[in-house]
Formats: sequence, structure tokens, C-alpha cells
Amino acid sequence: ENVLTQSPATLSLSPGERATLSCRASQSVSNFLAWYQQKPGQAPRLLIYDASNRATGIPDRFSGSGSGTDFTLTISSLEPEDFAVYYCQQRNNWPPTFGQGTKVEIK
Amino acid sequence: QVHLVQSGAEVKKPGSSVKVSCKASGGTFNNYGISWVRQAPGQGLEWMGGIMPAFNTVNYAQKFQGGVTITADESTNTAYMELSKIGSEDTAVYYCARSKGYCSGGSCFFNWFDPWGQGTLVTVSS
Repeated sequence: ENVLTQSPATLSLSPGERATLSCRASQSVSNFLAWYQQKPGQAPRLLIYDASNRATGIPDRFSGSGSGTDFTLTISSLEPEDFAVYYCQQRNNWPPTFGQGTKVEIK
Repeated sequence: QVHLVQSGAEVKKPGSSVKVSCKASGGTFNNYGISWVRQAPGQGLEWMGGIMPAFNTVNYAQKFQGGVTITADESTNTAYMELSKIGSEDTAVYYCARSKGYCSGGSCFFNWFDPWGQGTLVTVSS
């Protein structure tokens, strides 16, 4: 299966700072990569699909980029509600797989 | 806008079975698939398998093959995930999620997971 490796495991930042999260695939996924946000006690929520498209209702401070095996999720200026765990997921290869997550925590 | 509503938390004995439901309200399963994703305590997300009713096809991740059964009742827009012979390692939150997709040659390719159910905590304890 296609293994997704996210880095860093934890990102400690202050509100207003820029967050840059990485996801690397063991095999090319073209642009078939998504990002999800999960807050404690909640289900994941789709943020970005097809590497760079924001899902409905997602603020434009969230942006995604990359193709092939290397992808980035950027949060331009962290809001208090953005502190959460973020997962990448690929659907190019069967089975669909998730990265292990990056926790964005308040510094 | 469709919402997925899952059944409530369960406490089960080792070796027993558990069946979790996922009902679509405000929408249907027409041309959509339902996947099940597991999240063990403090851990990440793991795709277990999914069903595409329009293709009459179910796929399971290799790890869960033989221990999980996924079904769907299109008449009630409800999907089910049954785990059999459960052990303590099956203690987790189980999510359902809807996606478009297609099946070819027995494999189903699910599009992005959106929306998700609220999750069902299954606790396995003697």
C-alpha cells in the first residue's frame, strides 16, 4: 500500500503565525491527495481535496499544494480554532491510506 | 445537505460481535459509497473498507478481511459495519464517511470522504 508520512509530528506555534505541514507519499499519487482536520472528540473534516482545492466553507487561510509524492498544507495565519490534528489521505492507489497526522498545538 | 448519523456507543465482551449503523439524513446513498474508518485511542485514521451499492461491491482492507462485514440497505439509506470475534485491540472509535466513487475489476475507488458520521465508540472489555 501507499504509505503517507507526515512531518513534523507536532508543530508548536502561536496564533497569527504561519503553519506549514508536509505529507510525503511512498508512491506517486498524482494530485489525488486530501487534507482533513480533526479536533478533539470530533470527526475529521475535509479541508482540501485534489491537492489544492478547498472544500465547501473552508476559509482561504488554508491552502494546499504539491503533486506526485510531496505535498504541503499551509495555514497562512493561525486562528485559535485551527489548533487541531491534520491528516493527509491519498486515493490514487488502492487501498486509500492516511498519514499518521500532524498535531498543531499552541506554543 | 446530507448528515450521517451513527448508532450509539457499545460495550462488548471479548469474542462477541458488534454492529454499528450509519444513516444518511437529508440525502441518499444513490451513486455514493460508504466507507468505515477506525481510530484507536490516541491513534490515527485507518480505512477498514467500503461499500458501493450502485456497483453491488464491497471492498475490505487486507487487515480487516474476514473480521468485518459491511452492508447497506438502500431503502433506508443506512449502512452497517459488523465486527466479529472482537478483542481488546478493537476498542476504538468507528466512523462512517460518504464519498463518490466507482468500482472496476472488483476494486472500488472511493473519492474524498465527506461528510463523516459523528463516530461510534466501541469498548471491548471483560
